[in-house]
Formats: sequence, C-alpha cells, structure tokens
Amino acid sequence: NAGVMQNPRHLVRRRGQEARLRCSPMKGHSHVYWYRQLPEEGLKFMVYLQKENIIDESGMPKERFSAEFPKEGPSILRIQQVVRGDSAAYFCASSPPSAGSDTQYFGPGTRLTVL
Amino acid sequence: AQSVTQLGSHVSVSEGALVLLRCNYSSSVPPYLFWYVQYPNQGLQLLLKYTTRATLVKGINGFEAEFKKSETSFHLTKPSAHMSDAAEYFCAVSDRRGSQGNLIFGKGTKLSVKP
Repeated sequence: NAGVMQNPRHLVRRRGQEARLRCSPMKGHSHVYWYRQLPEEGLKFMVYLQKENIIDESGMPKERFSAEFPKEGPSILRIQQVVRGDSAAYFCASSPPSAGSDTQYFGPGTRLTVL
Repeated sequence: AQSVTQLGSHVSVSEGALVLLRCNYSSSVPPYLFWYVQYPNQGLQLLLKYTTRATLVKGINGFEAEFKKSETSFHLTKPSAHMSDAAEYFCAVSDRRGSQGNLIFGKGTKLSVKP
C-alpha cells in the first residue's frame, strides 16, 4: 500500500516562473491537505481539499497560489510568478473519509528553490 | 484559537539517557494532539496521537506521551535514547471544527544524541 506520493521532490525555479507541485494521496483517501515549511519553522497549514472541492483555504496567500484536487488525478498546488520568499518545503498529507484530521499521513515533500 | 508551544528548539542527550521533549497547547475544545518525527530531507512520520481516550499514549520506537489537562501539556518521553532517534520532532494540535480540520504545528525541537 503506497504512501502519500509527491513529485517532484526538488524543484528549482527562477523568479517569475510558475511552480506546480503534485500530490497523490494514499489509496482510499479523499482528503488532502497542503502545508508549507519555511527554514527553521514548523509546518503551516495552507489548504484542505476534498475531491473537486476546496474545504478550507484560510492558510493560502491571497495572490499567486491556487490548489485543486480534481475527480481524477493528483492534487496540484500551483504557484504563479514565484518569488524568493516562496522557497520552502511543501508537504501534502492525506486522510481517509471517516477520520477527518484525526490522523494525517504525510508525503516526503517538495523542496522548492527560487533563484 | 488553538496553538502549540514547544519549549527548546534544540535538545541534546547522551545515548541511553532519558529523552524529554516539551509541548504545551492551547485549545478551546477538547484537543486531539500529535507528535510527528522528521528525519533530514524527509516527510513527517506519526509517532503517536491522543484522541481523548487514555491519557498515557504509547507510540512507535519506544516513545510515549502523557496528556495533562491541568498543565495543558503533552510532553514526549523515551526512557533511553538511541543514536537513531536524532531527528526533529513536532507537536501538533488538531483544529477540530466539526469532524474535519487542519493541524497546527509547533516550531519543532531538534534532538541530538551523543555517543
């Protein structure tokens, strides 16, 4: 039973480019969460999605960031016109339908570096 | 609003010594509490969780944590440290609104184990 998968593991972008981060939840999981970890900081919640729905995006920056979890395929976190401050590790977590956030299973993360 | 405070960003112990990592929380509802471990350049792995049942929770790798409501604490302990325990540890509280919610993390404690 594969765990949460994220790709790419490392992503380098120049300022102004777009970054697309992908997350495939564990089999049977329909809830996906995205978190950002800045250097020397804990993880900060960004967005919580279910299939085709954004449930809570209270942690998402108002501009340049968007997320989706389509009916088919992985969840995507998209960052447009990246800036140096976007450099961070982005983690995806998933949980099964019945458990809510009782237990979230984390992927290995995508480390974004903006040059 | 929920919050988590981890006292001590770095803790160093000798191999075989007691490990004590501190976590205090604030929550307006009965909390769900978690400890995660993060090895370098990896994702988060769940160590243990408290979900309002037994106040002493046993986790993987010999770790345990005790929920103390009067002290609003959920400290992580292990009787005898092993070199492989060197990692960063995060305490988290569940932002339970209804049955779903995101995790609120502390800033983490880096554990070093000296031979």
